[in-house]
Amino acid sequence: GAVVSQHPSRVICKSGTSVKIECRSLDFQATTMFWYRQFPKKSLMLMATSNEGSKATYEQGVEKDKFLINHASLTLSTLTVTSAHPEDSSFYICSGSDTGTGLFFGSGTQLSVL
Amino acid sequence: DAKTTQPTSMDCAEGRAANLPCNHSTISGNEYVYWYRQIHSQGPQYIIHGLKNNETNEMASLIITEDRKSSTLILPHATLRDTAVYYCIVRVGRQLTFGSGTQLTVLP
Repeated sequence: GAVVSQHPSRVICKSGTSVKIECRSLDFQATTMFWYRQFPKKSLMLMATSNEGSKATYEQGVEKDKFLINHASLTLSTLTVTSAHPEDSSFYICSGSDTGTGLFFGSGTQLSVL
Repeated sequence: DAKTTQPTSMDCAEGRAANLPCNHSTISGNEYVYWYRQIHSQGPQYIIHGLKNNETNEMASLIITEDRKSSTLILPHATLRDTAVYYCIVRVGRQLTFGSGTQLTVLP
């Protein structure tokens, strides 16, 4: 299957700082990318959907000014957690969709905010 | 959104077939059934998907009932590495909405 590369795999930061997570589609063009978060022992929750070259669409309850998403190219989307707080600690996962029926996931980023 | 219902957990003996059921009684005619699995602290791994015909690949088989209201994922010879949470998802548009999944534990 197609490959989605997500970096970093793990990040620890201080409260109040910003963290950027990158998601790259390596062998396909991801016209749409999705960002999920997952708390321990819980399922994945969709945070936002981004289409290349346009603004992301956020799910209800997700603060767009806190979770900044940029999808500037067909192979790269970034999620920036601004002014991170301990409650933002979570497992963040991206996925990319091509023009067909495929939907491929990155390996996830474990964010720990101290 | 079409929703899915799966058992919370299942056990399977190593080497035996693992049959994971899923109910999706509100599925629409053009919605696909997808199966993913997630091993702890990793991203979901695609397994298989189908519309109305049974599907098979190198990982698993997907059996969809004729009325499409339920499906079964079959891992023909489960190994310890197949221990994971398995998600059955009805895809609406381009996004996937995850339910709670089934924790499959393969026992030695």
